[in-house]
Amino acid sequence: KQEVTQIPAALSVPEGENLVLNCSFTDSAIYNLQWFRQDPGKGLTSLLLIQSSQREQTSGRLNASLDKSSGRSTLYIAASQPGDSATYLCASKGEGSGGSNYKLTFGKGTLLTVNP
Amino acid sequence: GAVVSQHPSRVICKSGTSVKIECRSLDFQATTMFWYRQFPKQSLMLMATSNEGSKATYEQGVEKDKFLINHASLTLSTLTVTSAHPEDSSFYICSAERSSGHVSYNEQFFGPGTRLTVL
Repeated sequence: KQEVTQIPAALSVPEGENLVLNCSFTDSAIYNLQWFRQDPGKGLTSLLLIQSSQREQTSGRLNASLDKSSGRSTLYIAASQPGDSATYLCASKGEGSGGSNYKLTFGKGTLLTVNP
Repeated sequence: GAVVSQHPSRVICKSGTSVKIECRSLDFQATTMFWYRQFPKQSLMLMATSNEGSKATYEQGVEKDKFLINHASLTLSTLTVTSAHPEDSSFYICSAERSSGHVSYNEQFFGPGTRLTVL
């Protein structure tokens, strides 16, 4: 059974700082790994999706890396802004159970606060 | 593109009643949709996978008779919480999968969620 862990659970930084969020997973047999952003009481916004064959993906100030063999992914946020404050979730896509062919397994997220 | 809506966004009901939540993919067709449940400060837990034209597949521990799922078209899936009880109060989120030819490339797009409160 896949388990996804995110460290730290919460992070508070001053505006402008670069930061790294960590995600680890126990089963390396994944199709892809995805990073999401969730604002309070809202749904999920997809940030980056890394295929199992890829090492990293970049979008603007965001860069996500994937090391499948060690079961780790990181999300790097450059020059953080107060608008980046949210919960960041990572999810691995792997074989399903209970009859589903595949499923996303989520970590509990990292609550990021960027202070002006 | 790739917008998913949910309705209602918030519902309060009495114990024992049934509540229906709709999930729609607005600008793409989704053969597969997913229903998740999220408790405060917890992660999303997959409840079931909804396949258009066939029965949903439920995760272990999820009562299929309690959480009825219907995926009647390529753009609509519904979740009905039957005989709701206070412990069913939670944040329910759906997602719709946009096919890109291979499971590895298929991406899920999430709805805004439905906050259910059972009194």
